Amino acid sequence: DIQMTQSPSSLSASVGDRVTITCRASQTISSYLHWYQHISGKAPKLLISAAFSLQSGVPSRFSGSGSGTDFTLTISSLEPEDFATYYCQQGYSTPPTFGQGTKVEVK
Amino acid sequence: EVQLLESGGGLVQPGGSLRLSCAASEFTFGSYAMSWVRQAPGKGLEWVSAISGSGGSTYYADSVKGRFTISRDNSKNTLYLQMDSLRAEDTAIYYCAKMSGPYSSSSKRNFDWWGQGTLVTVSS
Repeated sequence: DIQMTQSPSSLSASVGDRVTITCRASQTISSYLHWYQHISGKAPKLLISAAFSLQSGVPSRFSGSGSGTDFTLTISSLEPEDFATYYCQQGYSTPPTFGQGTKVEVK
Repeated sequence: EVQLLESGGGLVQPGGSLRLSCAASEFTFGSYAMSWVRQAPGKGLEWVSAISGSGGSTYYADSVKGRFTISRDNSKNTLYLQMDSLRAEDTAIYYCAKMSGPYSSSSKRNFDWWGQGTLVTVSS
């Protein structure tokens, strides 16, 4: 199985901050990398598919980049509703696997 | 907007069985692969199982293979997960998730809509 490693595991930030989360795959996954936002008690939400394609309705402050093994999720200016846990997921091979998550907390 | 509503979770003893259901609406259910994804307490997300739109192909994580069975009834827009021989490590919130396209397609092997989950607790 392909292992996905996110860093950091958690971070503290303030509204308006720029936040960057990285995701590394244990082998190349082309651009088959997806990002999710999960607020506890709610349904997870797909933010970005195929490394950089923003899902409909997702604010443009979210962006994704990368290919091969290294990927990045960036929130350009953190909003109050963005405090959540973020997961990357590879779809390159089966089984699909997730990173361990990055919790974005209030500073 | 796509709606996915899970039900059937609860407390079950080790070795017991449980059947989860997921009622889907606001999309053409039979045209999309569906999956179950779980989250154990304090842990991250783990894919459990997937099924093709027709129901003819099924896929399982090694951790549940031989114990769990995924199925669907396209006439009822409902997804199921039959869980047998349950273990303590199966304790988790189980999410129903719609896939962007066929499970067999690398470019579509993601989850574009999720339910809010149902809690399964395996304990004596």
